Amino acid sequence: GENVEQHPSTLSVQEGDSAVIKCTYSDSASNYFPWYKQELGKGPQLIIDIRSNVGEKKDQRIAVTLNKTAKHFSLHITETQPEDSAVYFCAASTASYDKVIFGPGTSLSVIP
Amino acid sequence: DADVTQTPRNRITKTGKRIMLECSQTKGHDRMYWYRQDPGLGLRLIYYSFDVKDINKGEISDGYSVSRQAQAKFSLSLESAIPNQTALYFCATSEGGRGGEQYFGPGTRLTVT
Repeated sequence: GENVEQHPSTLSVQEGDSAVIKCTYSDSASNYFPWYKQELGKGPQLIIDIRSNVGEKKDQRIAVTLNKTAKHFSLHITETQPEDSAVYFCAASTASYDKVIFGPGTSLSVIP
Repeated sequence: DADVTQTPRNRITKTGKRIMLECSQTKGHDRMYWYRQDPGLGLRLIYYSFDVKDINKGEISDGYSVSRQAQAKFSLSLESAIPNQTALYFCATSEGGRGGEQYFGPGTRLTVT
């Protein structure tokens, strides 16, 4: 079955710097890659997703890139702010969305 | 009001006890899920249901059972709780078919002593 790895497990950046989180997946049939943000005491919330027919997607300060050949995808956050501090999960799924397999998470701390 | 609610939010129970966690949603979604979150392991799927008559095992279903009482309600039971079931449990819903976004509840923190 699908396996999703995520690095790093923890990341600290200075406010205003960029943060990059990288994931790899194992199942070549996966073609939907969401990213979720989990704030303290809350459930995860989708922040951006990408499908296999595109290589990059941007939404304000957040961007995701996908390399299907290498089975890699990454989250890029620019101009980080303290409110970006949270745990971020990458995930992979097929187009039928039967099951979404999550990575282990990255705890991001943005230092003011 | 929250779209996905979970009760209880916190629960402490003893080894061997039966416990039920409940989930309700007002989003009108057909698909519902139960996940378990442990530090360093991310979210692992316990069970999922695509409609009232459909129940499927996830990655880690041993020791758990579920019931889909209605489109809006999906409960998770631990028949005989054990300490390694201490974790944060999340319910989620999705529309399926039209998109993959899952909507999560606030979580239930379960401690088994």
